[in-house]
Amino acid sequence: DAGVIQSPRHEVTEMGQEVTLRCKPISGHNSLFWYRQTMMRGLELLIYFNNNVPIDDSGMPEDRFSAKMPNASFSTLKIQPSEPRDSAVYFCASRQTGLPSGANVLTFGAGSRLTVL
Amino acid sequence: RKEVEQDPGPFNVPEGATVAFNCTYSNSASQSFFWYRQDCRKEPKLLMSVYSSGNEDGRFTAQLNRASQYISLLIRDSKLSDSATYLCVVSPYGQNFVFGPGTRLSVLP
Repeated sequence: DAGVIQSPRHEVTEMGQEVTLRCKPISGHNSLFWYRQTMMRGLELLIYFNNNVPIDDSGMPEDRFSAKMPNASFSTLKIQPSEPRDSAVYFCASRQTGLPSGANVLTFGAGSRLTVL
Repeated sequence: RKEVEQDPGPFNVPEGATVAFNCTYSNSASQSFFWYRQDCRKEPKLLMSVYSSGNEDGRFTAQLNRASQYISLLIRDSKLSDSATYLCVVSPYGQNFVFGPGTRLSVLP
């Protein structure tokens, strides 16, 4: 099992540029989450999908952020245009729904560290 | 009030000490509870799920009090390798996962 795979691991970009972060969930997992982590705000849920359908995007900061899940094995988080305050580590996580509550766990990818200058 | 709150820490303890972390949550509809561990510059990883009757995994014991909306984690005989940030996680309605701010632990030689 390759785990949750995220790319790029690091990205440095200039303000105003478009940023696209990618995620491949664990095969067989049908629920995917995007989180953002900063020192000030901790881990914040941005959006999550069940069976490729966005369920809750209330955590998406503003219209500059968008997320898609075109199929069960791929998701993107896009920021356009990027701003310095978007600098953070973005984590993707997946899980399989329908399991008993104790087994209903999230598995995280290694994260994408974004720096916007 | 934040949805999940934890002791701010940091906790600095000597090797072999017993340390306890507390967590409170505000959503009474929460169904699933977990402790995650996050090492510096790494992703969070599951430490253990928390069951209503309490559960133990080696040196780690988790307790849940639904009436008080309170979760705890006890680490016995702490090791240097236990140094990390411990995240309390609550899943309202079994759907999304809300993370607490974390409590940092440093185990000192």
